Formats: sequence, C-alpha cells, structure tokens
Amino acid sequence: NAGVMQNPRHLVRRRGQEARLRCSPMKGHSHVYWYRQLPEEGLKFMVYLQKENIIDESGMPKERFSAEFPKEGPSILRIQQVVRGDSAAYFCASSATGGRTDTQYFGPGTRLTVL
Amino acid sequence: AQSVAQPEDQVNVAEGNPLTVKCTYSVSGNPYLFWYVQYPNRGLQFLLKYITGDNLVKGSYGFEAEFNKSQTSFHLKKPSALVSDSALYFCAVREEGNNRLAFGKGNQVVVIP
Repeated sequence: NAGVMQNPRHLVRRRGQEARLRCSPMKGHSHVYWYRQLPEEGLKFMVYLQKENIIDESGMPKERFSAEFPKEGPSILRIQQVVRGDSAAYFCASSATGGRTDTQYFGPGTRLTVL
Repeated sequence: AQSVAQPEDQVNVAEGNPLTVKCTYSVSGNPYLFWYVQYPNRGLQFLLKYITGDNLVKGSYGFEAEFNKSQTSFHLKKPSALVSDSALYFCAVREEGNNRLAFGKGNQVVVIP
C-alpha cells in the first residue's frame, strides 16, 4: 500500500516564476493537509482540503499561494511569483477521515529552492 | 491557540542508555498528542499518539510516551537507545474541533556509539 506521494522531490525556481507542488494521498484517504518547514523550524500548517473543498486555509499566506484538491488527480499547492523567502520544505499529509482520532501520514516533501 | 514546546535543541545519549525527549503543550480543551520522527531529507514518520485512555502509550520501534495532564506534558521515551534512533523528533498537538497540527520546533537526538 503506497504511502503519500509528493513530486517533485526537489524544485528550483528563479524569483518571479511559479512553483507547482503535487501530492497524492494514501489510497483510501480523502483528506489532505499542507505544511511548510522553514530551516531550523518545525512544521507550520498551511491548508486542509477535502476533495473539491478547502476546509481550513488559516495558515496560507494571503497572496501568491493557492491550493486545490480536484475530484480526480493529486492535490496541488501553487506558489506564484516566488521569492527567496518561499525556499522551504513543503510537506503533504493525508488522513482517512477528518475525525479527532485520525492520524496524519506525511509524504517525503518537496524541497523548494528559489534562486 | 494550540502550541507545543520542546525545550531542548539537542539530546545526546549513549547507545544502550534510556532516551527521553521532552514535550509540553498548551490547548483549549482536550489535547490530541502525536510524536513523529524525521530522518535527514525524509518526511515525517508517525511514532505514536495519545487520544484518550491509558496515559502510557506504546508506539513503533520500541518508543513510548507518557501523557501527564497536570503537567501538560507528553514526553517520549525509549528504554535503550540505538544508534539508528539518531534523528529529529517532533511533538505535535491538535485541539478538539480542528484538524491542523501544531508542531514543536523539534529535538535533534544523537545516539553515541
């Protein structure tokens, strides 16, 4: 049973370009979460999605960042006009339900470097 | 707002000795507590969680954690550390009513052969 898949694993962008990060949840999971890990820091919550719905985006920056989880296909985290401060590791997690006892399982992450 | 504190940046322990990684939390209402481990350039691996019930929770790879409500703590323990346990350990908490995890900054564990 495959775990959470993320691609690409490494992404290099120049300032002003767009970054698109993809996440495929574990089989049978319909809840997806995105977190960002800055150097020397813990993970910070960004957004929580179910299929075709954004449930909680309280951690998303107000500008340039967006996320979606379409009916078919992976969840996408999109960063427009990237800046150096966007350089970080972006982790996706999935869970089977949104219940309080549910465990979030994490993917290997995408490491974004902005030149 | 929910938050987690992991007071020590790095924990050094000799192989075979007991390992403890400390975590305290702050939430409104009932806490749901988690420990994850991260190896270099890898994602987070789930170790164990406390939801309710017995205060001592057993998890993967011989790890366990003790929930202490009065001290708002959830320390991770292993009776006998292995060199392969050297990694970054994260404590996380989730408040009842929302789905987002709040993570501590992490503890680097170094097990010395």
